[in-house]
Amino acid sequence: KNQVEQSPQSLIILEGKNCTLQCNYTVSPFSNLRWYKQDTGRGPVSLTIMTFSENTKSNGRYTATLDADTKQSSLHITASQLSDSASYICVVSAVVIKAAGNKLTFGGGTRVLVKP
Amino acid sequence: DAEITQSPRHKITETGRQVTLACHQTWNHNNMFWYRQDLGHGLRLIHYSYGVQDTNKGEVSDGYSVSRSNTEDLPLTLESAASSQTSVYFCASSDKGREETQYFGPGTRLLVL
Repeated sequence: KNQVEQSPQSLIILEGKNCTLQCNYTVSPFSNLRWYKQDTGRGPVSLTIMTFSENTKSNGRYTATLDADTKQSSLHITASQLSDSASYICVVSAVVIKAAGNKLTFGGGTRVLVKP
Repeated sequence: DAEITQSPRHKITETGRQVTLACHQTWNHNNMFWYRQDLGHGLRLIHYSYGVQDTNKGEVSDGYSVSRSNTEDLPLTLESAASSQTSVYFCASSDKGREETQYFGPGTRLLVL
């Protein structure tokens, strides 16, 4: 069964500090991995997408890494800001035999609270 | 600007009533999805559509139905609302292709009393 596990479930950090979120998956065959940011009361918004051959990808102060061998990904937030307070969701796509798209497995998310 | 909208944003209903949640996107995306999000669970797929007249069941489809009569809309119907269907519902859309980033609507918060 395809699964995506995220850790920690929640964390509190001080403004300006860095943090790293973890994502472990057992999705096969792997297609790509996305990190989404979900602000309270809003829908998720894509931050990064990584395919099998990519080890790292940045989007501003967000840097995602992928180790396809160990099936692990991380999302690093640098110099956190109050606006980084949100849930971060790891989503892994499996390739399916259908023309239109992939099968997605969602992690439970990590809730980040940035305090001043 | 192209967007995806959901209505209503908040809904309170009674057990046994039929409820329809609307989803409308203006990106002309082929793919549309309905998810529910509950505490302790990740987003769970209810139904999805890869085009007009195409609908498919997701992992938690019991008690829900969808229809796709045009590209822009995928309404979600709860045939007979149950308290277990109290949740936040998200609609999403994506373009056809391998690298299909899904764009999510703002969500509908449904309370079934």
